[in-house]
Amino acid sequence: EPEVTQTPSHQVTQMGQEVILRCVPISNHLYFYWYRQILGQKVEFLVSFYNNEISEKSEIFDDQFSVERPDGSNFTLKIRSTKLEDSAMYFCASSEAHGTGGGTFFGQGTRLTVV
Amino acid sequence: KQEVTQIPAALSVPEGENLVLNCSFTDSAIYNLQWFRQDPGKGLTSLLLIQSSQREQTSGRLNASLDKSSGRSTLYIAASQPGDSATYLCAVVYNTDKLIFGTGTRLQVFP
Repeated sequence: EPEVTQTPSHQVTQMGQEVILRCVPISNHLYFYWYRQILGQKVEFLVSFYNNEISEKSEIFDDQFSVERPDGSNFTLKIRSTKLEDSAMYFCASSEAHGTGGGTFFGQGTRLTVV
Repeated sequence: KQEVTQIPAALSVPEGENLVLNCSFTDSAIYNLQWFRQDPGKGLTSLLLIQSSQREQTSGRLNASLDKSSGRSTLYIAASQPGDSATYLCAVVYNTDKLIFGTGTRLQVFP
């Protein structure tokens, strides 16, 4: 069964360092997303990406964050200068259709710890 | 503001019970609603997707219903098993691509 894969599963970084989280969405999906979940809190939307550009972003997704689809398969989230409060589980997701009409499918997440 | 609420926050039941998890949303103009399962420290597994035009969806022992007019969805789990222990998340989509999540119901099924 097709699945969204994320690497690494865990990442520990020092405050102020740049991190890149990687994702391979489901191959025939056209819409890609990043969400995050701070420990004990709700899953929050960060950004959606379609046709090689950001289609929507939340207030959380400030200038420290960027996304890229560098080739036909990978989708990355970069945090330029990490802060302690960026520590969270980051989920990549993808969907086939607009408005997630076919459902949204999530990866297993990358646990980011900023020290 | 579009918000999603889930009750109860936690539930502990003996194996074999039928149970109902509730999800409510403040804006009834949803595009669709999706139920997910999350195991501790893990990703989100999609369980059921209900389009706004549908009233319910079924998969195995799971049945999800949708009442848009009252802003509610329920997830019914029949004959619960210890393996059903997890957090169940409800999420809605409006006229954009993003999911808005509830806080989840943490379910424990004990033998």
